[in-house]
Amino acid sequence: AQSVTQLDSHVSVSEGTPVLLRCNYSSSYSPSLFWYVQHPNKGLQLLLKYTSAATLVKGINGFEAEFKKSETSFHLTKPSAHMSDAAEYFCVVSDRSFNKFYFGSGTKLNVKP
Amino acid sequence: GAGVSQSPSNKVTEKGKDVELRCDPISGHTALYWYRQSLGQGLEFLIYFQGNSAPDKSGLPSDRFSAERTGGSVSTLTIQRTQQEDSAVYLCASSLGPSLAGGSEQFFGPGTRLTVL
Repeated sequence: AQSVTQLDSHVSVSEGTPVLLRCNYSSSYSPSLFWYVQHPNKGLQLLLKYTSAATLVKGINGFEAEFKKSETSFHLTKPSAHMSDAAEYFCVVSDRSFNKFYFGSGTKLNVKP
Repeated sequence: GAGVSQSPSNKVTEKGKDVELRCDPISGHTALYWYRQSLGQGLEFLIYFQGNSAPDKSGLPSDRFSAERTGGSVSTLTIQRTQQEDSAVYLCASSLGPSLAGGSEQFFGPGTRLTVL
């Protein structure tokens, strides 16, 4: 069975400081993992995805995530937060056939000036 | 090009009424998904269509929920005899479908906010 746990429902950082959004997954086999972002009143947008190539994945807007099999983690990071990063972030795992995607409950990122 | 569109953007209905939600996927996308996002919750998978294959209905919460996809394009999600707990944002997504490189990116529509009074 596939599942995703996002460890923090809310994260607050100051502009210019690093961002860390944590995600742990459960999968019976090698998963595909994704991070999506949802800005207020906007649709969900793909930030990055891992599909068994390089374990460090770079995405849009300076975000990156590292797949750590030993820790079953896929944490999202960014070196320096920007006000425009304030949004809700979802970690997603897909099943072996890539037919179904399982979403975490989301992490709301607040960026303080 | 146009993205995924959904209509209506908002729907208010009375308990017990039926509702239909529409999704227009990106042209050429063979895969189409419906999700439900309740307040403060993540996305809950409802149903998945891939090409002409039988849909994966394993996420539908009850037999009041059904969906169809006509001609491999437009999809309609129908909720019969709506209940207050059906209130949520219903999201549709489309993608190119499974690939050898892994799950294809899903492109999401803006959603339909359903309120059942």
